Amino acid sequence: QSVLTQPPSVSGAPGQRVTISCTGSSSNIGAGYDVRWYQQLPGTAPQLLIYDINNRPSGVPDRFSGSKSGTSASLAITGLQAEDEADYYCQSYDSSLSGVVFGGGTKLTVL
Amino acid sequence: QVQLVQSGAEVKKPGASVKVSCKASGYTFISYSMNWVRQAPGQRLEWLGWINAGKGNTKYSQKLQGRVTITRDTSASTAYMELSSLRFEDTGVYYCARDHPRGFDPWGQGTLVTVSS
Repeated sequence: QSVLTQPPSVSGAPGQRVTISCTGSSSNIGAGYDVRWYQQLPGTAPQLLIYDINNRPSGVPDRFSGSKSGTSASLAITGLQAEDEADYYCQSYDSSLSGVVFGGGTKLTVL
Repeated sequence: QVQLVQSGAEVKKPGASVKVSCKASGYTFISYSMNWVRQAPGQRLEWLGWINAGKGNTKYSQKLQGRVTITRDTSASTAYMELSSLRFEDTGVYYCARDHPRGFDPWGQGTLVTVSS
């Protein structure tokens, strides 16, 4: 059971928009700790996708964006492309656990 | 370019220990902390712990406290993660990841650890 809760899967057709939620609590996202998102392509290591809620490292397309409200965060992907098919993980810090926590991961399928 | 290269796959018996290395290049090793994260087959990412590469102080996940030890060799720009008293459920891919202010960036390629009798 993850401290950060994500939907197990989402899907969308090419060109569509999808969102992935990450629900936490007052000891992590709600406490104001940074929220990061990682993309893990099949068979590869995760890569940083979004940091500080809605900032992208160089090289990440602006089709990817993040947001936060209260104890939850969201990742939005617009103009879906086949290459976006991957697992996506949210990450934060939890003061109760005194450590870094990840969401359970969401598998994105491009139909 | 910044790169983390990990040691090769390991097969261990239950109760044994495993030590995985992570060699950093392309940046000043002691300027950043290093995290270790694992992923059981088909499962989520799990944070194991962190070492301040400059000072050497560490922080471990509560779940693995007592079984995991993270060290570093500054002369070799290399971080190590040792997991003891291995169990079948410790099987998975172990990653190192630099602790950049933006987040975990970059990640090593991963090391498969298999616990099998």
